[in-house]
Amino acid sequence: NAGVTQTPKFQVLKTGQSMTLQCAQDMNHNSMYWYRQDPGMGLRLIYYSASEGTTDKGEVPNGYNVSRLNKREFSLRLESAAPSQTSVYFCASRESGTGITGELFFGEGSRLTVL
Amino acid sequence: TQLLEQSPQFLSIQEGENLTVYCNSSSVFSSLQWYRQEPGEGPVLLVTVVTGGEVKKLKRLTFQFGDARKDSSLHITAAQPGDTGLYLCAAYTSGTYKYIFGTGTRLKVLA
Repeated sequence: NAGVTQTPKFQVLKTGQSMTLQCAQDMNHNSMYWYRQDPGMGLRLIYYSASEGTTDKGEVPNGYNVSRLNKREFSLRLESAAPSQTSVYFCASRESGTGITGELFFGEGSRLTVL
Repeated sequence: TQLLEQSPQFLSIQEGENLTVYCNSSSVFSSLQWYRQEPGEGPVLLVTVVTGGEVKKLKRLTFQFGDARKDSSLHITAAQPGDTGLYLCAAYTSGTYKYIFGTGTRLKVLA
């Protein structure tokens, strides 16, 4: 019953520090996504991976890097954290072959604060 | 640039009232989805609409996709406190694998 699992759930960083958010899904989904959520902004796409071995930029990729480690795992790295990256980060996955009706399955989110 | 604008941003109503939330864009999309998010959780899919003019009903919730597939609305009849949450529309463009989300509408239904 795990679905999409994100770690850590909470993290406080100082400006300039680096960290990696981990995401794993156990549904055998091909596509995976990283979003950030800020008040009044809905969800904004950072990076996505349509399938294992591919990654593409979303709306707000600056300051982030991603790695699609295998089909299950998709990590998001902040190399030098900035206060503007304070946000709640969500990982999501989507089953292959679902076309335009595919559903996104989300993790519970990772709350990051950069001081 | 936010491609999907939702209105209103906030809505606080009494139990039993009706409400409509709008999701608008200047772009045409292959499909549009509505998600609901509760505090501390990720969004959960409510419905997907794919045909211009399509109307779908989910109990007291009615979803409509605009004829030109650029906009959508969510109507709730006789709102209940359990409807409280953040409502997000999301648009998908065929072949891109990208889902772009709207700015969100935070709904609070008072008992």
